[in-house]
Amino acid sequence: DTGVSQNPRHKITKRGQNVTFRCDPISEHNRLYWYRQTLGQGPEFLTYFQNEAQLEKSRLLSDRFSAERPKGSFSTLEIQRTEQGDSAMYLCASSLTGVSTEAFFGQGTRLTVV
Amino acid sequence: GENVEQHPSTLSVQEGDSAVIKCTYSDSASNYFPWYKQELGKRPQLIIDIRSNVGEKKDQRIAVTLNKTAKHFSLHITETQPEDSAVYFCAAPTQGGSEKLVFGKGTKLTVNP
Repeated sequence: DTGVSQNPRHKITKRGQNVTFRCDPISEHNRLYWYRQTLGQGPEFLTYFQNEAQLEKSRLLSDRFSAERPKGSFSTLEIQRTEQGDSAMYLCASSLTGVSTEAFFGQGTRLTVV
Repeated sequence: GENVEQHPSTLSVQEGDSAVIKCTYSDSASNYFPWYKQELGKRPQLIIDIRSNVGEKKDQRIAVTLNKTAKHFSLHITETQPEDSAVYFCAAPTQGGSEKLVFGKGTKLTVNP
């Protein structure tokens, strides 16, 4: 499968625990985006990378969230001290440089905080 | 920053009828307008997009129209089929050094056989 891959697909965690998600983009794509989607809403931007550089982080994102893309390939999104409000689908997307190109989404990681 | 409004939030049509979903955007510098389809439990997938140098684009039963003056664009699906049932999202990019897609809240389309 040459599409965007996310792991795990589902994660259930207890409040207060840390979780980490992984995204493997399409290999030639240098742009990588993280979005969060809650039920009945559109994807909400979290952060994006151009190669290994994190170019923007949403102001809505608390400091409990951190993302990395150390070698400009796969990316990880970590949430520390999870809260029930963090329960959502976390989507990763990748594209070639420039926003006016198609963004391909992964299948997402569904996080449930209990 | 960009703000994208999408209407309606739900739409129910009979099989064979047409469906129209409308979006407005705020950033006049936006120049790319994609539409994504998301079936239940699946990833959003691009179905059609339009760039600001054209006013309309068609791909079989789907079409998108763009009115840059009014800052709105629409998705048109003709001869709807039950498999068109899904949530549809419009999006527009921010500009001015911050390049990301801002999505509308989505339209849940139900096509009744």
